[in-house]
Amino acid sequence: DAKTTQPTSMDCAEGRAANLPCNHSTISGNEYVYWYRQIHSQGPQYIIHGLKNNETNEMASLIITEDRKSSTLILPHATLRDTAVYYCIVRAVNFGNEKLTFGTGTRLTIIP
Amino acid sequence: NAGVTQTPKFRVLKTGQSMTLLCAQDMNHEYMYWYRQDPGMGLRLIHYSVGEGTTAKGEVPDGYNVSRLKKQNFLLGLESAAPSQTSVYFCASSYSHRDRGLRIYGYTFGSGTRLTVV
Repeated sequence: DAKTTQPTSMDCAEGRAANLPCNHSTISGNEYVYWYRQIHSQGPQYIIHGLKNNETNEMASLIITEDRKSSTLILPHATLRDTAVYYCIVRAVNFGNEKLTFGTGTRLTIIP
Repeated sequence: NAGVTQTPKFRVLKTGQSMTLLCAQDMNHEYMYWYRQDPGMGLRLIHYSVGEGTTAKGEVPDGYNVSRLKKQNFLLGLESAAPSQTSVYFCASSYSHRDRGLRIYGYTFGSGTRLTVV
């Protein structure tokens, strides 16, 4: 699976959009980008995933650059409950590669 | 529908003691995983299972054993606990499905077991 690079920490004002970047310059064509978050020692929670098109769900939007070497997770209206560690994970989708490999993520703090 | 349930939630062991952590899922997921998380670090995979009766080593398997006798349960054993195994342990399960011709996986995590070895 491709290696990802994320900033160690970020702050965002409550009510504003939180934009979390992720670099994955070695991504290959059969690898998805997944985002998970972990709120204060709870189990990680799935947010969104994408291959090459932008994706949106009820939690967030995922913007993937045309060359797929980087992506941005957008939380449109951040609340205090969005304070968490956010993990960007790139993984292949072939059978036999079911494992998720976590890095250290970005610690997002929402400021009141 | 409880999702992924881990038992116990907290435990303190003395060095050399043994214990088993239980993970149960009611979603009929094929794959199950055990991770550990140390302070300030991401999750690291200990062992995983791609189906009933099968297990495989992950990134940090030493000092742990696992069993998957039933599809819904995945047990993590510590035969002789060491202080280095003080950690928070997370179990997860996953399924796979086809999405636009590619197979993707959905993961559900348990709430964790906080283990302290003294």
